[in-house]
Amino acid sequence: QVQLQESGPGLLKPSATLSLTCAVSGASLTSSHYYWSWIRQAPGKEPEWIGHMFHSGFTSINPSLKTRSTISLDTSKDQFSLNINSVNAADTAVYFCASYNTAGSFFDYWGPGTLVTVSS
Amino acid sequence: DTQMTQSPSSLSATVGESVTITCRASQSVSNYLNWYQQKPGKAPKLLISVASNLQSGVPSRFSGRGSGTDFTLSISSLQPEDFATYYCQQSYSTPRTFGQGTRVEV
Repeated sequence: QVQLQESGPGLLKPSATLSLTCAVSGASLTSSHYYWSWIRQAPGKEPEWIGHMFHSGFTSINPSLKTRSTISLDTSKDQFSLNINSVNAADTAVYFCASYNTAGSFFDYWGPGTLVTVSS
Repeated sequence: DTQMTQSPSSLSATVGESVTITCRASQSVSNYLNWYQQKPGKAPKLLISVASNLQSGVPSRFSGRGSGTDFTLSISSLQPEDFATYYCQQSYSTPRTFGQGTRVEV
């Protein structure tokens, strides 16, 4: 059973950089079975896929966030990370990390989510 | 981007009733269509993958069908724990996109 847990600051000021980490257990970040993904959900809205990374280094980011976002893997710590720079109020959301199953093409395991609020 | 449109946005139902939710894609997604259930304050939970494949542990009262651009999620004999928001999500193209959700309420 794969388990994921997000961590990071809950409150940011506009123009700051959002940095979140996802701790993974029950699966290896080098597994070919998963893309390691970030998804966010603004209050009252549908989930929005941010992007994902494969252990090979292949990364795909939503074009709406591509100029501000990076995803990285740290296999030595069994965790992966998300950075979004120059945040604004529209980046306020619950951020989820998730595993994207490469065989089934679905998000099968999710972290519980962490609320990030951007406010001055 | 492939836009996913669900209908209705919300529906009222009673325990024991059967309901159907529709998801339409702005272009063909073949059968790369997944359904999730989300309860307040929780992460989405995968119910159905590739349009009609029920995930392990998901009750058989849930079913999905469709291909191309038109898909449905049906719940027969609603149970109290089924009152939640349901999302479709396509995995055919990048960016992965979700429908706006259908809230099933009492």
